[in-house]
Amino acid sequence: GDSVTQMEGPVTLSEEAFLTINCTYTATGYPSLFWYVQYPGEGLQLLLKATKADDKGSNKGFEATYRKETTSFHLEKGSVQVSDSAVYFCALSGGSQGNLIFGKGTKLSVKP
Amino acid sequence: NAGVTQTPKFQVLKTGQSMTLQCAQDMNHEYMSWYRQDPGMGLRLIHYSVGAGITDQGEVPNGYNVSRSTTEDFPLRLLSAAPSQTSVYFCASSQDRENQPQHFGDGTRLSIL
Repeated sequence: GDSVTQMEGPVTLSEEAFLTINCTYTATGYPSLFWYVQYPGEGLQLLLKATKADDKGSNKGFEATYRKETTSFHLEKGSVQVSDSAVYFCALSGGSQGNLIFGKGTKLSVKP
Repeated sequence: NAGVTQTPKFQVLKTGQSMTLQCAQDMNHEYMSWYRQDPGMGLRLIHYSVGAGITDQGEVPNGYNVSRSTTEDFPLRLLSAAPSQTSVYFCASSQDRENQPQHFGDGTRLSIL
C-alpha cells in the first residue's frame, strides 16, 4: 500500500542554519503531497502542498518540490528561526478511504 | 473563524469507562475523520465520514464508535476504555473526500489508567 518515509529526528539546528528534512513516498497513481507542522500543544497545520510532478510548494520560507522520478518531497528552508521549532509531518493523499497517509514526523529544535 | 473544534482538550479515564470526544466544524465540509497520534507512529485513521448519515472504518477502528447526524458534528465514542487507547486524538475535515488539504482540530489528550 501507499506509504511515506521521512527522516528520523530529532533534528537540532542553530538559528539561521539551513534545514532539510527528507521525505520519500510509495504510491500507486498520482497523489498530492503535503507538509504539515505541529507546534507544541497544538493540532496540525498545513505548511505547503504540491499536487503534481515538478510542482513546488512554498510558505513562510519553506519549500518542497514534488519529484516523481525520485519519489521525494524534501522540505527545505534557507535560514531557520527559533519559532520554527515544531514537529514536521510529510503526508500524501493516497488513502483509499480519503485519508492522508502520514510519515512518523520529524521533531525540529532550533537553538538561539 | 472557529474551523474544527474539539472538546475536551484533556481527559483522564479509568479502564472500562466510556466517554465521547466531541468534534464540530463550521466550514460546511462533507468529509470528516478521526486520527490517533502515538509516539513514533505518525497519525492513523480511526473512522471517517463522507457526509451526514454515512460513516466507515479506518485503519484502527476497534474499541471506537462514531455517528454523523449532522454535517457539523462527528463525535467519537470510546465504548470501554483500555490503556492501549491512551493517545492524542485529532479530528479533521475537508471539503470532500478527494479535495485536500484537511483541517485539523487542536486535539484531545486522553489518558487511560
